[in-house]
Amino acid sequence: GQNIDQPTEMTATEGAIVQINCTYQTSGFNGLFWYQQHAGEAPTFLSYNVLDGLEEKGRFSSFLSRSKGYSYLLLKELQMKDSASYLCAVSNSNYQLIWGAGTKLIIKP
Amino acid sequence: IAGITQAPTSQILAAGRRMTLRCTQDMRHNAMYWYRQDLGLGLRLIHYSNTAGTTGKGEVPDGYSVSRANTDDFPLTLASAVPSQTSVYFCASSASGGAPDTQYFGPGTRLTVL
Repeated sequence: GQNIDQPTEMTATEGAIVQINCTYQTSGFNGLFWYQQHAGEAPTFLSYNVLDGLEEKGRFSSFLSRSKGYSYLLLKELQMKDSASYLCAVSNSNYQLIWGAGTKLIIKP
Repeated sequence: IAGITQAPTSQILAAGRRMTLRCTQDMRHNAMYWYRQDLGLGLRLIHYSNTAGTTGKGEVPDGYSVSRANTDDFPLTLASAVPSQTSVYFCASSASGGAPDTQYFGPGTRLTVL
């Protein structure tokens, strides 16, 4: 079967750094996406990785290891507005996205 | 540019009733998707369309139907609603369905079936 695993909830402090992990087992791999979803809103695109390594985009970075079926999203200099759910999704052999259940990130002052 | 719009925003529906959720995009994207999102579960694909005139079944298609008469519109119909179809429904689109393109989401429709 196809499976995406990520922690259900994480808590971090404003100004700190947090790493959200994602492991996957899918039928084929055409890249991994990270989306942000604020409560009651639609998911919005954060990053896409298809090659191994780290992609940096401002305060957010995303890492991929295809051999380990593993990715993480790194958020630096946390702000209160970063309180949201972070969704990991893998594009499988049919280019369909398989989604994890999301990680709810709680930021405390 | 509005992006993707969905209607209605929310709806309470009696079991057994027919309901159509509307989705329109103005980005001229070829591919469109319908997902449902339930607490504790990831987004699950209901149906998709890689181009106007074609549709395909996703992970959870039973009880739902779609049509894609043109590029912009992708309505989702529940022929006879059941309580297990209570969910938040998101429509999304991407430039291409045959590539790992970024998907852009509408604001969602919150549906309650009683």
